[in-house]
Amino acid sequence: SQKIEQNSEALNIQEGKTATLTCNYTNYSPAYLQWYRQDPGRGPVFLLLIRENEKEKRKERLKVTFDTTLKQSLFHITASQPADSATYLCALDYPLSFGAGTTVTVRA
Amino acid sequence: EAGVAQSPRYKIIEKRQSVAFWCNPISGHATLYWYQQILGQGPKLLIQFQNNGVVDDSQLPKDRFSAERLKGVDSTLKIQPAKLEDSAVYLCASSLEPPGGDYNEQFFGPGTRLTVL
Repeated sequence: SQKIEQNSEALNIQEGKTATLTCNYTNYSPAYLQWYRQDPGRGPVFLLLIRENEKEKRKERLKVTFDTTLKQSLFHITASQPADSATYLCALDYPLSFGAGTTVTVRA
Repeated sequence: EAGVAQSPRYKIIEKRQSVAFWCNPISGHATLYWYQQILGQGPKLLIQFQNNGVVDDSQLPKDRFSAERLKGVDSTLKIQPAKLEDSAVYLCASSLEPPGGDYNEQFFGPGTRLTVL
């Protein structure tokens, strides 16, 4: 069956460090993969999309990699700030299938 | 630009009661989605509309859930009768067009938190 797995544990990091989140999938052949941010009591907000033929994509302090051989995407937040504290969701395919998300807390 | 609007924000009902949620997408967005997000999980697509037609309702429990999008703008999602396991946040999202050549970002509303007692 199709499965999307993200870091099972919440991530607690010190301000200024890099947060790295993992998204692994099975039984999908996605044309693209997306990352969303969700704050408590709010809907997800789109951050980045990376296509199957792209290895890496950047947006400000965010970097996403996509390895279709490993069936994995890595999401990096560099120079993290307390305002980056949220749950980050990866999503595949169309229509979107979401992972359960990883909660990131950045300590000042 | 106004975002996706949803109401109510919170609803508490007894099991076997009925409930309805309303969504107003971003103006001009042809595609509208309803998702169910259970605590600790990612959103799960229930139904997708393009204009006022259903594109995908394969994960909608049709024995108790129904949705409509009259005139291709606002949409309502109804649950009748509700079960305890329907307790979740119901999210509405919209996009310009479904992905064909290039991807169109989905914009989510704040959601309706439903508690079934």
